[in-house]
Amino acid sequence: RKEVEQDPGPFNVPEGATVAFNCTYSNSASQSFFWYRQDCRKEPKLLMSVYSSGNEDGRFTAQLNRASQYISLLIRDSKLSDSATYLCVVTSIGANNLFFGTGTRLTVIP
Amino acid sequence: DAMVIQNPRYQVTQFGKPVTLSCSQTLNHNVMYWYQQKSSQAPKLLFHYYDKDFNNEADTPDNFQSRRPNTSFCFLDIRSPGLGDAAMYLCATSSQTGGQETQYFGPGTRLLVL
Repeated sequence: RKEVEQDPGPFNVPEGATVAFNCTYSNSASQSFFWYRQDCRKEPKLLMSVYSSGNEDGRFTAQLNRASQYISLLIRDSKLSDSATYLCVVTSIGANNLFFGTGTRLTVIP
Repeated sequence: DAMVIQNPRYQVTQFGKPVTLSCSQTLNHNVMYWYQQKSSQAPKLLFHYYDKDFNNEADTPDNFQSRRPNTSFCFLDIRSPGLGDAAMYLCATSSQTGGQETQYFGPGTRLLVL
């Protein structure tokens, strides 16, 4: 079983729509959770960390559900510039390795 | 201002011909990582350095080696590239290990093996 699993998509949504991605992780000892964004042929960049209480950054909201071992990312009022692959990333305390999901591809359509 | 720099951005090599990819950082971070990312796949950690301490992932092939001559630079050496080694190679840095530290990625080097 993979450490981190994501629906690869693609998600094609119109501008202004709200879209949500989920990601599940297998290791119950996982401690840190992140969403990274990766544009085509570019490097991953940290979008936001995910905290136990959930957190919001502008149009982006991240949630963590430890009981069900999943994290989510909600994007409101989608912009064309939001088109990218969103990578779910999980790590365990003391671990050096980030475990990446394969990413969910989002295309926002005019 | 570039913080993690990778050269070259594109590298073409021949089957079996050794190749070296370069990474440098201006962040003065202790930790440098090398990832391999194939198309539509997640980045896969190959190894990392904490200062001069080298840490190899268990499933990293022997064909892949690394050098870190100083804090700023780290190299990935592929001794005998095969067709299956064609991928994007990402260098990343963080101030500490421990998983909670943000990793900063370079733009990657895309390797093509002919």
